[in-house]
Amino acid sequence: DAKTTQPNSMESNEEEPVHLPCNHSTISGTDYIHWYRQLPSQGPEYVIHGLTSNVNNRMASLAIAEDRKSSTLILHRATLRDAAVYYCILSISGAGSYQLTFGKGTKLSVIP
Amino acid sequence: NAGVTQTPKFQVLKTGQSMTLQCAQDMNHNSMYWYRQDPGMGLRLIYYSASEGTTDKGEVPNGYNVSRLNKREFSLRLESAAPSQTSVYFCASGQGLRANYGYTFGSGTRLTVV
Repeated sequence: DAKTTQPNSMESNEEEPVHLPCNHSTISGTDYIHWYRQLPSQGPEYVIHGLTSNVNNRMASLAIAEDRKSSTLILHRATLRDAAVYYCILSISGAGSYQLTFGKGTKLSVIP
Repeated sequence: NAGVTQTPKFQVLKTGQSMTLQCAQDMNHNSMYWYRQDPGMGLRLIYYSASEGTTDKGEVPNGYNVSRLNKREFSLRLESAAPSQTSVYFCASGQGLRANYGYTFGSGTRLTVV
């Protein structure tokens, strides 16, 4: 499986945008980019995923570099509830089942 | 909707005891997964079921067995628990990548083996 590299930790001020980076220089043309987050003492929560184009949903935006070797998860306005570990994951594409391999992620702290 | 329900939430076992962790989803998802998470670590895939009637090994299957009972339910069995299996266990369900959502995870089972 292709690997991702994320900073161990980041800090953000409340109500400011947050840009969480992820490098995946060995990504293949068929790998999707996924982001999940895990709040303390909870199971992971899906945030967003994409293949080539930038993606937006109610939680966040995913900006994918043109060469797909890196991506950025954008939280438009951080709240205290966004303090969590954020995982950037690659998966093989396909219409059916796919498997996700979680690394250690980026621990995001939000300062009031 | 309940989403993904795991039972029990907490369990303490003695070394050598057996138990089954239960997982049920009500979202009509085809695929289901079992992960474990050790302190300070990411999640590791134990087993998964791409569809009803199929199961496959993940990254760390040794010491575990699974059963996909029907489309809704996917159980994880520890036949002879060991202290190294002390962990938080998460069940998840999902559809394919073309869906506009990802996996849904349960709230976890915290297992301690003494």
